[in-house]
Amino acid sequence: GAGVSQTPSNKVTEKGKYVELRCDPISGHTALYWYRQSLGQGPEFLIYFQGTGAADDSGLPNDRFFAVRPEGSVSTLKIQRTERGDSAVYLCASSLHGKGTDTQYFGPGTRLTVL
Amino acid sequence: AQSVTQLGSHVSVSEGALVLLRCNYSSSVPPYLFWYVQYPNQGLQLLLKYTSAATLVKGINGFEAEFKKSETSFHLTKPSAHMSDAAEYFCAVMNFGNEKLTFGTGTRLTIIP
Repeated sequence: GAGVSQTPSNKVTEKGKYVELRCDPISGHTALYWYRQSLGQGPEFLIYFQGTGAADDSGLPNDRFFAVRPEGSVSTLKIQRTERGDSAVYLCASSLHGKGTDTQYFGPGTRLTVL
Repeated sequence: AQSVTQLGSHVSVSEGALVLLRCNYSSSVPPYLFWYVQYPNQGLQLLLKYTSAATLVKGINGFEAEFKKSETSFHLTKPSAHMSDAAEYFCAVMNFGNEKLTFGTGTRLTIIP
């Protein structure tokens, strides 16, 4: 079956612009996660959805970052007024029920470059 | 706050030699522990996970890891390295009831022919 997919694979934008990053989880997975991986670092947690609701958004760095999952499937990560420091690979993952013992399956990521 | 420390950002081993990648965690309660592998231009793939069952966990591609509470460690091993093992390896921790993964900074494994 299909894995987690993310679009676009690469996004180049200018400082101050708005961007949207999309994640399609594995079909039937109720939990969805966003992480950010900066160069030379491990992924850092941003937000976790259980169904349509954000169960934990403690990792969002500031109010320029927002994510939605309106129908409990596809999710969009939205970044307003992008800054050069936002440049990173944004990873999406999904798991069947969102329990600790469930495996989180990761997508290939979206590489965001802010010029 | 929970965290993981991976000793050695770069590790090189000869083909056929033992692979040992180190991971120590800090948590007041034994957490769930994971090893993920990231091949170039690919997404993270789960190698193995410890979820309070057997302390010796076997994963894919011949890797295994042992949970040692007394040492707060979860080191990854493979008896004989293969060229295809060259990749970046991440240790991660998750506390019970908290669904987010906290990753280490990663160890890049190079295999010498």
